[in-house]
Amino acid sequence: ETGVTQTPRHLVMGMTNKKSLKCEQHLGHNAMYWYKQSAKKPLELMFVYNFKEQTENNSVPSRFSPECPNSSHLFLHLHTLQPEDSALYLCASSQDVQRGGSPLHFGNGTRLTVT
Amino acid sequence: GNSVTQMEGPVTLSEEAFLTINCTYTATGYPSLFWYVQYPGEGLQLLLKATKADDKGSNKGFEATYRKETTSFHLEKGSVQVSDSAVYFCALRPSNQGGKLIFGQGTELSVKP
Repeated sequence: ETGVTQTPRHLVMGMTNKKSLKCEQHLGHNAMYWYKQSAKKPLELMFVYNFKEQTENNSVPSRFSPECPNSSHLFLHLHTLQPEDSALYLCASSQDVQRGGSPLHFGNGTRLTVT
Repeated sequence: GNSVTQMEGPVTLSEEAFLTINCTYTATGYPSLFWYVQYPGEGLQLLLKATKADDKGSNKGFEATYRKETTSFHLEKGSVQVSDSAVYFCALRPSNQGGKLIFGQGTELSVKP
């Protein structure tokens, strides 16, 4: 496999459930990102990790908890979500955060529905 | 602050028509500029990029030129195809805010046969 792989592709969960989104990149990159894409809104950056260290938390509610065990894997742990958290969650990676011209490579996303 | 503004969609064109999607930005310093494309049910794919003023990015017949004097990075294609139907995102990466990619709101393009 190459590129950025996200699982699951679709997830339906109740507000009291706990679930996790997984992202894996096979590009040898050192930076990984979580973005939220809601209908009719610009993409929102949630978290940035560089060499496994979190470098940005964009005021994300604590019901979203990221984990980056190594440079190839990124998780987003979800608990007690709200219906307005329903969205497409996109993972991305790049060479590292310091190279401004280095593009982000995106996965296909996890479509999350909170009921 | 840093921001990206794109023309509103949806944009509907006939096959072989000329495409322009406007993008302007506000940024301090010297950002890198990108166009991403999102096909239905998929994530974003990098279409092209430019890292300094007057650079022209190009890919698959699409072009965009980094214009610092007008703070613009308009996307153009001379002859669109039905397969170009997608949502197009303009984005900038500030030179001094490691990692953050700031997106415009996206422009939906629909090409009719």
